[in-house]
Amino acid sequence: QKEVEQDPGPLSVPEGAIVSLNCTYSNSAFQYFMWYRQYSRKGPELLMYTYSSGNKEDGRFTAQVDKSSKYISLFIRDSQPSDSATYLCAMSSGGGADGLTFGKGTHLIIQP
Amino acid sequence: EAGVTQSPTHLIKTRGQQATLRCSPISGHTSVYWYQQALGLGLQFLLWYDEGEERNRGNFPPRFSGRQFPNYSSELNVNALELEDSALYLCASSIGQGDTGELFFGEGSRLTVL
Repeated sequence: QKEVEQDPGPLSVPEGAIVSLNCTYSNSAFQYFMWYRQYSRKGPELLMYTYSSGNKEDGRFTAQVDKSSKYISLFIRDSQPSDSATYLCAMSSGGGADGLTFGKGTHLIIQP
Repeated sequence: EAGVTQSPTHLIKTRGQQATLRCSPISGHTSVYWYQQALGLGLQFLLWYDEGEERNRGNFPPRFSGRQFPNYSSELNVNALELEDSALYLCASSIGQGDTGELFFGEGSRLTVL
């Protein structure tokens, strides 16, 4: 079992829809959870950062972490064509120097 | 403020050759991470440098190496190139240990091995 599982998609939804992106993980030591967005031919950029369990909201984006289920989600409300990108979940235990463990990314397409 | 810069943008090499990739972190950032993003495999952690020292490396063979210079810029060297080394190589910088904070990524260097 891979440490972080993420459906690669593509996930195609109409403009204005609510998008739900998810990752599952196996390492119970993970405490820091992030979502990165990567446009084609660009480097990833940090969207959301969460420590431990709970919800965090930033504009149209909401990140949820359920450590008991080892499951994290990113919700995008009122999706826009400019949200079309690959979304990568990332996580770490924070106790060492292993960097971040990334999911493979979900390719999201918002249809105008 | 300038972001993380990487060079070259694209690099084409043949099997057995050596490739050198360069990264300049954001001013004030002392940590530099290197990741490999191969098709279908996601981002794989390669190397972490901080204050001029290699702090950790991922599960890659020794022909992947690098260094960090006194100005905190970094270089990734890949020796004896193999076809499967074809990938986007991403550099990221952070203030301190990046595994608890934000990593700022460059746009990557795309290496093609023929």
